[in-house]
Amino acid sequence: KAGVTQTPRYLIKTRGQQVTLSCSPISGHRSVSWYQQTPGQGLQFLFEYFSETQRNKGNFPGRFSGRQFSNSRSEMNVSTLELGDSALYLCASSLVASGTTDTQYFGPGTRLTVL
Amino acid sequence: GQQLNQSPQSMFIQEGEDVSMNCTSSSIFNTWLWYKQDPGEGPVLLIALYKAGELTSNGRLTAQFGITRKDSFLNISASIPSDVGIYFCADEGGGADGLTFGKGTHLIIQP
Repeated sequence: KAGVTQTPRYLIKTRGQQVTLSCSPISGHRSVSWYQQTPGQGLQFLFEYFSETQRNKGNFPGRFSGRQFSNSRSEMNVSTLELGDSALYLCASSLVASGTTDTQYFGPGTRLTVL
Repeated sequence: GQQLNQSPQSMFIQEGEDVSMNCTSSSIFNTWLWYKQDPGEGPVLLIALYKAGELTSNGRLTAQFGITRKDSFLNISASIPSDVGIYFCADEGGGADGLTFGKGTHLIIQP
C-alpha cells in the first residue's frame, strides 16, 4: 500500500508570494493533518481535515489555510509569505479523526524556503 | 497548553552502546508516542503507550509509560548505525488538537 505522498518536495518562494502544498493520504484514510517543523519551534500542529471539514486548527495566523477534497487529498495554502514561514511542512493521514488511538502516518514533507 | 520536555537534546554514542532518553510533561497524559525521524523524511511511529506503567518493546526498542502519567522513557539496546536520527515523544492530547511533540533527541553514532 502506498504511503503518504506530498508534492512538491522542495519549494523556493519570495516574501509576499503565496504557496499551495499538496498531500495524498494513504488509500482509505479519511483524516489529514498538517504540521510545521522548524529548528526553533519543532513540530507544531497546523490543522486537521476529516471528511472535507476542518476539525481543528493550531495557533497559526489566518494566512495559513487548507482544504480537503472528496477523495481525501488535501492542500494547504500560505498567503503573503514571510521569511519565518520557511519550514518543513508535514502531512499525516489516519483512518479516522484524531483524538482516537488511530496511528498517524507521516509523509516525507515539503521543504519551503522563503527568500 | 501541554509542554513536553525531552532530554537529552543530543547524544553522541559509540556503535553497540545502549541508549536511554526520556520525556516529561507538565500535565497528566493518556498516551505516549515515540517517533523517529530520519533526515529528509517524516516521523515514523516506533512505539505507542496507552496505560500507566505499560512497558512495550519493538525489537531493540523498549518504552515505558511512567506511573505518574507525566513521563516516559525510550531505550535502544546495542545501537547500530541506522539508529541515527531524531527521536520525538508525542501525545495525542485526547482531543482534536493534533499531536503535541517534544523538541526531540538527536542521536549520533560515532564509528
